Amino acid sequence: SAVISQKPSRDICQRGTSLTIQCQVDSQVTMMFWYRQQPGQSLTLIATANQGSEATYESGFVIDKFPISRPNLTFSTLTVSNMSPEDSSIYLCSVSQGTNTEAFFGQGTRLTVV
Amino acid sequence: DQQVKQNSPSLSVQEGRISILNCDYTNSMFDYFLWYKKYPAEGPTFLISISSIKDKNEDGRFTVFLNKSAKHLSLHIVPSQPGDSAVYFCAASASTGTASKLTFGTGTRLQVTL
Repeated sequence: SAVISQKPSRDICQRGTSLTIQCQVDSQVTMMFWYRQQPGQSLTLIATANQGSEATYESGFVIDKFPISRPNLTFSTLTVSNMSPEDSSIYLCSVSQGTNTEAFFGQGTRLTVV
Repeated sequence: DQQVKQNSPSLSVQEGRISILNCDYTNSMFDYFLWYKKYPAEGPTFLISISSIKDKNEDGRFTVFLNKSAKHLSLHIVPSQPGDSAVYFCAASASTGTASKLTFGTGTRLQVTL
C-alpha cells in the first residue's frame, strides 16, 4: 500500500480566507481523489485529480471553490477558497492504482472555519 | 440520494463474539465493494474488499459476504477484539465509471466491550 502524507493535519482559519492542503504519495499512483467528511456525515467525493489537466468535479462541487492541482503522479493540492463555517470538515486525499482495486487514504486535514 | 446505506449507526458486541455489520446498496452498476475502518483523527483504513463475481471473501478475522440479488453485503469480524472499536464504512464503486471512485455509506460505530 502507498504511504500518503497530508499537510496540514489540522487548521483553524478565518472566514473569507483560503487554505491549501497538500497530498504527497511515496510512489507513483494512477488515481488521486479528494473527499470531504462533514461532522457526523459520511465521506463525499469532491473531485478526481487528473495529472496535467483540470480536475473532474462531482455534482455540487465547483472549481472556483475547490481548485485542485496535480502536477505529477505523486502530488496533489486542494484549495478551499473563500471559506465559511460550513466548510468546516475533514478533507481527505485518496489514491488508487485503478479499477477494482482498493483506495488508500491520507490521515486527513481537520479544518475549522471561524 | 443515498446509494449506499448502513442502517445501523451503532453496534455493541462483547469481546470474543462475532460482530456483523450490514450494508445495502441501490445502484446495480456497483461491482466492487470495500470495507474501511476509521479511528478518530485518522484517515480510513482499508480492511477487505469483494468483487461482484464472488459471494464471499475472507482475510483472517474478517469475512465479507455479498448477496447481489438482495443488493446487500455484510462484514463479519470473528472474534471481536477491543481494538476493533471504530467506525466502519462500507463503500462501492462501478468499473464502468471512474476507476476507484467510491461511494460511501454513513458508517456504523462498533464498540467491543470487555
